[in-house]
Amino acid sequence: DIQMTQSPSSLSASAGDRVTITCRASQSVSNYLNWYQQKPGKAPKLLIYAASNLQSGVPSRFSGSGSGTEFTLTITSLQPEDFAIYYCQQSYSNSGFTFGPGTKVDVK
Amino acid sequence: EVQLLESGGGLVQPGESLRLSCAASGFTFSNYVMGWVRQAPGKGLEWVSAILGRGGTTYYADSVKGRFTISRDNSKNTLYLQMNSLGAEDTALYYCAKVHDYGRPFDVWGQGILVTVSS
Repeated sequence: DIQMTQSPSSLSASAGDRVTITCRASQSVSNYLNWYQQKPGKAPKLLIYAASNLQSGVPSRFSGSGSGTEFTLTITSLQPEDFAIYYCQQSYSNSGFTFGPGTKVDVK
Repeated sequence: EVQLLESGGGLVQPGESLRLSCAASGFTFSNYVMGWVRQAPGKGLEWVSAILGRGGTTYYADSVKGRFTISRDNSKNTLYLQMNSLGAEDTALYYCAKVHDYGRPFDVWGQGILVTVSS
């Protein structure tokens, strides 16, 4: 099974900051890497799919990059509504579309 | 509007069974892979199972393999998850989700349904 890790596990930031979250896969997932945002009491929301494609309706301050085993999610100019938990997920292996453990972004 | 609505959750005792349903609307259900994702209280997301559009091929996480069965009725636009031999470790909020064609992300999610396994 493909294992996913994320770093950092949490970070504190201020509105306007640039935030970068890293996701690593235990083996290559090509570009089958997705990013989700989850706020308390809500279902996850798809932000980025296939490593770098912005989901419809998602603000352009979110971007994704990477391929193979290392990926990043970048939020330029963090907004108050962006404080949430972010998960990466690989959708390469039919044995399981595993999620990363999450990165909590909270207010500094 | 694309929508997924889960039902069938509740409180069960260890060893018992439960069947979750997910009613889909707003898209051609039979054209899409569908899946289940769960989230234990205060924990992260765990992929549980997926099924191809025509229903012939299914996939399971190791943690539920042999105990859970995913199925779908395309005539009713409904996805199911039959859960047997439930244990405390299965206590979670269960989300039904639609898989997008390109890249295979979960692009539409239900609101989630709570399953609690406790004596």
